[in-house]
Amino acid sequence: DSGVTQTPKHLITATGQRVTLRCSPRSGDLSVYWYQQSLDQGLQFLIQYYNGEERAKGNILERFSAQQFPDLHSELNLSSLELGDSALYFCASSHRQGSGELFFGEGSRLTVL
Amino acid sequence: AQSVAQPEDQVNVAEGNPLTVKCTYSVSGNPYLFWYVQYPNRGLQFLLKYITGDNLVKGSYGFEAEFNKSQTSFHLKKPSALVSDSALYFCAVSTPDDMRFGAGTRLTVKP
Repeated sequence: DSGVTQTPKHLITATGQRVTLRCSPRSGDLSVYWYQQSLDQGLQFLIQYYNGEERAKGNILERFSAQQFPDLHSELNLSSLELGDSALYFCASSHRQGSGELFFGEGSRLTVL
Repeated sequence: AQSVAQPEDQVNVAEGNPLTVKCTYSVSGNPYLFWYVQYPNRGLQFLLKYITGDNLVKGSYGFEAEFNKSQTSFHLKKPSALVSDSALYFCAVSTPDDMRFGAGTRLTVKP
């Protein structure tokens, strides 16, 4: 158990809908990272937060947004969903930036029909 | 930009044989390099990291990795493979703001 909790584990929805994925980092970790894993594109970095502030953006679509709350949990919002958004979405946390390893949650599997 | 490359999509080895999963990196400055493993339907798990110091880094489950600055490589190794080592392996490089992963290498260990 990595200590990172993601909910929901599975989610099935329709095109055009909006979903919210939630992540609780390990106790004491200030950094939260979001990644998207799909079959054809590997593990894509989406966005990172550190202590409530956005620190880095990767290949995140404008239809997607995220935030980190004062209690350090984070949410990833996906809107106007398309079939191609079907993927595993991982959250990871880290105590420090740069040299620290990431601890991953089990992921949220999103299926868009 | 910091990046890593994993030149092999798939590696097949027989149980008991040594295994190597390759990774090359491109970074400016000193690299922070990592290996992670992903089992089916699970999140990634940290195996080992190189920050500085000894070029041979030992990690979890008997894995080790050799940092080679002249070849810009950070290959993952294990002296004797187990069937249970079959999984997806990712090399990663850390920047001040994020961690970038390679495309992954699927390791299959056959009995």
